[in-house]
Amino acid sequence: GQQVMQIPQYQHVQEGEDFTTYCNSSTTLSNIQWYKQRPGGHPVFLIQLVKSGEVKKQKRLTFQFGEAKKNSSLHITATQTTDVGTYFCAGPDQGAQKLVFGQGTRLTINP
Amino acid sequence: DAGITQSPRHKVTETGTPVTLRCHQTENHRYMYWYRQDPGHGLRLIHYSYGVKDTDKGEVSDGYSVSRSKTEDFLLTLESATSSQTSVYFCAISRFDNYGYTFGSGTRLTVV
Repeated sequence: GQQVMQIPQYQHVQEGEDFTTYCNSSTTLSNIQWYKQRPGGHPVFLIQLVKSGEVKKQKRLTFQFGEAKKNSSLHITATQTTDVGTYFCAGPDQGAQKLVFGQGTRLTINP
Repeated sequence: DAGITQSPRHKVTETGTPVTLRCHQTENHRYMYWYRQDPGHGLRLIHYSYGVKDTDKGEVSDGYSVSRSKTEDFLLTLESATSSQTSVYFCAISRFDNYGYTFGSGTRLTVV
């Protein structure tokens, strides 16, 4: 079945350092979505990318969708303690009305 | 998030007992989903619904059943709870097919 892989699984950074997580799908995606889950919380939808090569920014967060629409990345510039959490990517399951989630990247930050 | 509530928030139950978790939405969204989250496994889909009385299985549906008799409620039932079903369960809703999901706050279920 369709798989969505994320790397790294864990990332620990010093506050102020940059952070990037990568997402790769086994199939071409019609869109890619990103979610953030704070410790003890629930996943929260951040953004959806649809177009090949699309880049979107939300303040210090930059999201990219690959040209082949099979990979994506989330880059955080100058991390802050509020960025702590797990970041998930997700893509639609082909032929089914549901998303396939990556395993997530857990970000911890040393203040 | 406003518009989606899960109940109960926490539950401890004994092995072999039936358990029903409820997801209630006030957004009139067509799509509803049940996930479980366990360390090292991310979010795994149990069942989902694409309309009243229309449901389908996810990747980890064994031991679980669902019902959706009205738009706003999606029930998840563990017919006979086992310790392997100890987990955090999240409900999610979506207005459109495969658009951004809104998740509930979760139910932490412990089976002893």
